[in-house]
Amino acid sequence: VQLVESGGGLVKPGGSLRLSCAASGFTFSDYNFNWVRQAPGKGLEWVSTISSSSNYMFYADSVRGRFTVSRDNAKNSLYLQMNSLRAEDTAVYYCVRGKYCTNTYCSRRWFDPWGQGTLVTVSS
Amino acid sequence: DIQMTQSPSSLSASVGDRVTITCQASQNINNYLNWYQHKPGRAPKLLIYDASNLETGVPSRFSGSGSGTDFTFTISSLQPEDFATYYCQQYDNIPVTFGQGTRLDIK
Repeated sequence: VQLVESGGGLVKPGGSLRLSCAASGFTFSDYNFNWVRQAPGKGLEWVSTISSSSNYMFYADSVRGRFTVSRDNAKNSLYLQMNSLRAEDTAVYYCVRGKYCTNTYCSRRWFDPWGQGTLVTVSS
Repeated sequence: DIQMTQSPSSLSASVGDRVTITCQASQNINNYLNWYQHKPGRAPKLLIYDASNLETGVPSRFSGSGSGTDFTFTISSLQPEDFATYYCQQYDNIPVTFGQGTRLDIK
């Protein structure tokens, strides 16, 4: 079971960046997925959740309207499109597997595994 | 949003010590409380899920307890590899929320 993020880097305020997460070793389409970030010197902050079939997406108030989560189950991939980036979005972004969901129920209310993270730096 | 109050924020201890961290939720979270270990430059690691269940492969010196709004995480005998930051997390409601973390370092 492995998650590998990519796409981080240095971007100017107001700019955009797209993060990707490649999953392997399990049935990607059975699980909800999440993005979690950690700003320098700060704790963990949940950013977004997408359901297994992309039926619903949730966002933290701090990113709603600027970030868009998506997934491609055929490619076992998760994405985070980040627009209108601000200095306070500077963080390591983690891709994290969440709930296991069938058509009738969800289980596994925990985050595991986590990717190694990708650093996003927003600075002029 | 459910607020998670974790304490202490930092802790100094020695190898072999027993360590306890507490986490209080602002409302009942139906035992959907998880604990993670995070080391610098590494991915966070799940240790305890649903308040008291030990994740597969995690040493038995780690344990969790509690219900409703009050939860406890314990390391029974600290090992050198346990010095890290620990977070609680509630997964009862969206937004998922984390405690502010407990940094555990060597005395």
